[in-house]
Amino acid sequence: DIQMTQSPPSLSASLGDKVTITCQASQNINKYIAWYQQKPGKAPRLLIRYTSTLESGTPSRFSGSGSGRDYSFSISNVESEDIASYYCLQYDNLNTFGAGTKLELK
Amino acid sequence: EVQLVESGGGLVQPGRSMKLSCAASGFTFNNYDMAWVCQAPKKGLEWVATISYDGSSTYYRDSVKGRFTISRDNAKSTLYLQMDSLRSEDTATYYCARCAVATDFDYWGQGVMVTVSS
Repeated sequence: DIQMTQSPPSLSASLGDKVTITCQASQNINKYIAWYQQKPGKAPRLLIRYTSTLESGTPSRFSGSGSGRDYSFSISNVESEDIASYYCLQYDNLNTFGAGTKLELK
Repeated sequence: EVQLVESGGGLVQPGRSMKLSCAASGFTFNNYDMAWVCQAPKKGLEWVATISYDGSSTYYRDSVKGRFTISRDNAKSTLYLQMDSLRSEDTATYYCARCAVATDFDYWGQGVMVTVSS
């Protein structure tokens, strides 16, 4: 099974900051990684798929990059509506989520 | 508009069974693989199971193999999760999700809570 190591578990940011979350897979996942946003009491929302492809409706301040085993997700110019938890998902071989990152306001 | 609506959750005793349903609308159900994802209280997301568009292939996480069964009725546009021999660690919100072009999940239901407790 593929393991996904996501870090950091939590982030504190000020409005307008840039934040970055990373996910490392236990093996090459061929760019098959997606990123989700989840707000309390809500279902996750797909933001980015195939490493860097923004889903329709995803603001351009969100971005993703990476290859092989190492991937990152960034939010530039954090806005208040971005306060949420974020998860990576590998879908190269079945599915594995990262443990999540909780983004809070400083 | 794509809609996924789960039902069938609630309180169940350890060792008993429960069946979840997910009614789909707004897309051609039999064109898409479907999946269940769970989230224990205050915890992260965990993939549970996936079924192919025609029901011919199913995949499970190790911890539910032999206990959970994913199935679908394409005529009714409905996805199911039969959960047997339930354990306290199965307590979670269960989401049904549509698989996109690959097996990432592009649409999710609102989730249904399952509590396994005596």
